Amino acid sequence: EPEVTQTPSHQVTQMGQEVILRCVPISNHLYFYWYRQILGQKVEFLVSFYNNEISEKSEIFDDQFSVERPDGSNFTLKIRSTKLEDSAMYFCASSEHRAGEKLFFGSGTQLSVL
Amino acid sequence: QKEVEQNSGPLSVPEGAIASLNCTYSDRVSQSFFWYRQYSGKSPELIMSIYSNGDKEDGRFTAQLNKASQYVSLLIRDSQPSDSATYLCAVYGGSQGNLIFGKGTKLSVKP
Repeated sequence: EPEVTQTPSHQVTQMGQEVILRCVPISNHLYFYWYRQILGQKVEFLVSFYNNEISEKSEIFDDQFSVERPDGSNFTLKIRSTKLEDSAMYFCASSEHRAGEKLFFGSGTQLSVL
Repeated sequence: QKEVEQNSGPLSVPEGAIASLNCTYSDRVSQSFFWYRQYSGKSPELIMSIYSNGDKEDGRFTAQLNKASQYVSLLIRDSQPSDSATYLCAVYGGSQGNLIFGKGTKLSVKP
């Protein structure tokens, strides 16, 4: 069964450092997303991406965040200068049809900012 | 800010019983409704979707939607210990074009 793949599974970084989280969405999916979940809290929307551009972003997704689809398979989330409060599980997701429909999530990257 | 509300639980049911999970949402024009299951430390896994008023059954799971009351529920029949997880209600559509999640209800099924 096709799945969304995320790497790395864990990332530890120092405050102020840049991190790149990587995702390979399901191959025939057209819509890509990043969500995050702080421990014990709800899954929060960060950004959606369609047709090589951001279609929507939340208030969390400020200038420190960026997304890119550098080739036909990878989808990345970059945090330019990490803060302590960026520590969370980051989930990549993709969907085949219109945005928001039946999202399939990757296994996540646990980001710890020290 | 559009909200999706769930009772955080924990909801504890004996094995074989029916578990009933509830969710309310604030945006009246929401279009699509989903239930995800999340095991501790894992990613959300889609288990049910529902788009129109009424019931939708899939195996031991039944989703119920009442748009007039802005209410979605999930029934799990013949609950098993393996159903113990956090169940996330998610709503799409309306004024926000992305999927909004509730905080989840933690279900514990006791053998």
